[in-house]
Amino acid sequence: AQSVTQLGSHVSVSEGALVLLRCNYSSSVPPYLFWYVQYPNQGLQLLLKYTSAATLVKGINGFEAEFKKSETSFHLTKPSAHMSDAAEYFCAVGDDKIIFGKGTRLHILP
Amino acid sequence: DTGVSQDPRHKITKRGQNVTFRCDPISEHNRLYWYRQTLGQGPEFLTYFQNEAQLEKSRLLSDRFSAERPKGSFSTLEIQRTEQGDSAMYLCASSLDAGASTDTQYFGPGTRLTVL
Repeated sequence: AQSVTQLGSHVSVSEGALVLLRCNYSSSVPPYLFWYVQYPNQGLQLLLKYTSAATLVKGINGFEAEFKKSETSFHLTKPSAHMSDAAEYFCAVGDDKIIFGKGTRLHILP
Repeated sequence: DTGVSQDPRHKITKRGQNVTFRCDPISEHNRLYWYRQTLGQGPEFLTYFQNEAQLEKSRLLSDRFSAERPKGSFSTLEIQRTEQGDSAMYLCASSLDAGASTDTQYFGPGTRLTVL
């Protein structure tokens, strides 16, 4: 069975600071991994996905994630946070059906 | 490309009533997925279709739930004899054809169900 664990249900960072959202996965097969973002009253939007082509995956809005097999991790980072990044972020694993983590709400402090 | 649309956006019903939600996928997308998201949780997979064929159903989908995609275009999700535990956001997603490894699932805005 596949699963993901997101560390921290809430993360606060100052505007301009590094954003780091943590995700660990469990999978018996090479995983396909995703980060989705959900803004208030909006649908889920794909930020980036890992499909084994490259371990460092670049996504939209300046986000990127690195696949580390030895650590079973797929952490999401952004060098400099913007106020507009405030949202809920979901790490996910799967192929036909996607298994989502519980989410991390990102707060940006002015 | 107008995106995935869902109707209604909000539904309030009394316990025991039946409700039906509709999802219109992106045109020409062959795969359609239903997920449920409860407060403070990530979305949970319910079922998905390849054209009109329902390929997988989660154990979360009790016999009170039924989903259809009769012509391989829009889909409906019906909940019979609603219970308070059914209160959630019901999300629909569509993708072009293959699995998520190669195709992106595009999500609709969801239908928020409140069962009183």
